[in-house]
Amino acid sequence: SQTIHQWPATLVQPVGSPLSLECTVEGTSNPNLYWYRQAAGRGLQLLFYSVGIGQISSEVPQNLSASRPQDRQFILSSKKLLLSDSGFYLCASEQLGNTEAFFGQGTRLTVV
Amino acid sequence: KNEVEQSPQNLTAQEGEFITINCSYSVGISALHWLQQHPGGGIVSLFMLSSGKKKHGRLIATINIQEKHSSLHITASHPRDSAVYICASVGGADGLTFGKGTHLIIQP
Repeated sequence: SQTIHQWPATLVQPVGSPLSLECTVEGTSNPNLYWYRQAAGRGLQLLFYSVGIGQISSEVPQNLSASRPQDRQFILSSKKLLLSDSGFYLCASEQLGNTEAFFGQGTRLTVV
Repeated sequence: KNEVEQSPQNLTAQEGEFITINCSYSVGISALHWLQQHPGGGIVSLFMLSSGKKKHGRLIATINIQEKHSSLHITASHPRDSAVYICASVGGADGLTFGKGTHLIIQP
């Protein structure tokens, strides 16, 4: 079965610093991959999704970008973090035609 | 567009009470996940359902595909069950879609 590795679990970064969160998937090929953010007290908001290498769709305008350099690697980045980027970031995968999704543990980011 | 609605948004109960959290969705899906997130913690997948009912310990999840509705039940609730519970639909036209979550507090 699939496994999603997402790291780090927690991260404290200063305002203006860059960000790179990595998500890798094992046990499958060509998954749909997702990045979500959960601000304090809010639900999970879709940031980006990808149906294949180099194919990224953005759901909301923001200070973040995503890349998919390999089939099973999905990276969330920022050149300069803002305080409002603080939150819980979750990577998830879904296999087209399958009935199951898989979830990373999440990264709790605090921008100070 | 698939709308995934959870109710209630917030729930406070006493230890030992039977808890029900509901999730409804608006389009046909392949399956539905129930997830748990403790305060300050990560996401844990509790159940994946495509039909019927599943039980794990004090947790029971049911789904009615025709009515587009799922429920998560907790029997003999305990303060350690306090968490946010999130349902997520899989395989609909919009792919993976999350509900906003139910914030559950179990008081001793």
